[in-house]
Amino acid sequence: AQSVTQLDSHVSVSEGTPVLLRCNYSSSYSPSLFWYVQHPNKGLQLLLKYTSAATLVKGINGFEAEFKKSETSFHLTKPSAHMSDAAEYFCVVSDRFLSGGYNKLIFGAGTRLAVHP
Amino acid sequence: DTAVSQTPKYLVTQMGNDKSIKCEQNLGHDTMYWYKQDSKKFLKIMFSYNNKELIINETVPNRFSPKSPDKAHLNLHINSLELGDSAVYFCASSQDAGTSGTYEQYFGPGTRLTVT
Repeated sequence: AQSVTQLDSHVSVSEGTPVLLRCNYSSSYSPSLFWYVQHPNKGLQLLLKYTSAATLVKGINGFEAEFKKSETSFHLTKPSAHMSDAAEYFCVVSDRFLSGGYNKLIFGAGTRLAVHP
Repeated sequence: DTAVSQTPKYLVTQMGNDKSIKCEQNLGHDTMYWYKQDSKKFLKIMFSYNNKELIINETVPNRFSPKSPDKAHLNLHINSLELGDSAVYFCASSQDAGTSGTYEQYFGPGTRLTVT
């Protein structure tokens, strides 16, 4: 079965310092992986996605993530945090072969990122 | 123009009532979804429709009934509302159901349902 584990429920950083949000996944075949961001009282916005092309994926707002199959990880990073990055971040896996060929997204529990001045 | 829209944004109602949430997408996508986000922010898929056909139906009480009049609309009707139905419900759409690749899903702004 597919699953996603976000290793930190809360992460707090100072503005201008690096951000690391950790994600491990479990999937039998070659999954597709996503990071979504949810700002307070807003919908979900796609940050980036991995679909078996380059293992280092660049997204919007300076975020990037690296797919490491040997570690079954897809950690999200950003070199320098901005106040506007404060939000809830979700790591998501989709494995069509385990979902009858359909795009069924399995969400992690989320990581709340706080950014301090 | 909003890509995926939902109405209403907020819905407060009493136990036992029946209510509907509407969703529309103007992206020309074939596939639409309903998700439930609970009070701990956990998101879980409920249903998915592809070209008006139900393709994913998770273990959801049959008080919840989705309806897709056309591929741009997916509505969610809930009968006999219970306290535990209080949550944020998100609609989403994707290019297709996954038959030709894995496509990202685009989410609506959510509908916050409060049952008292």
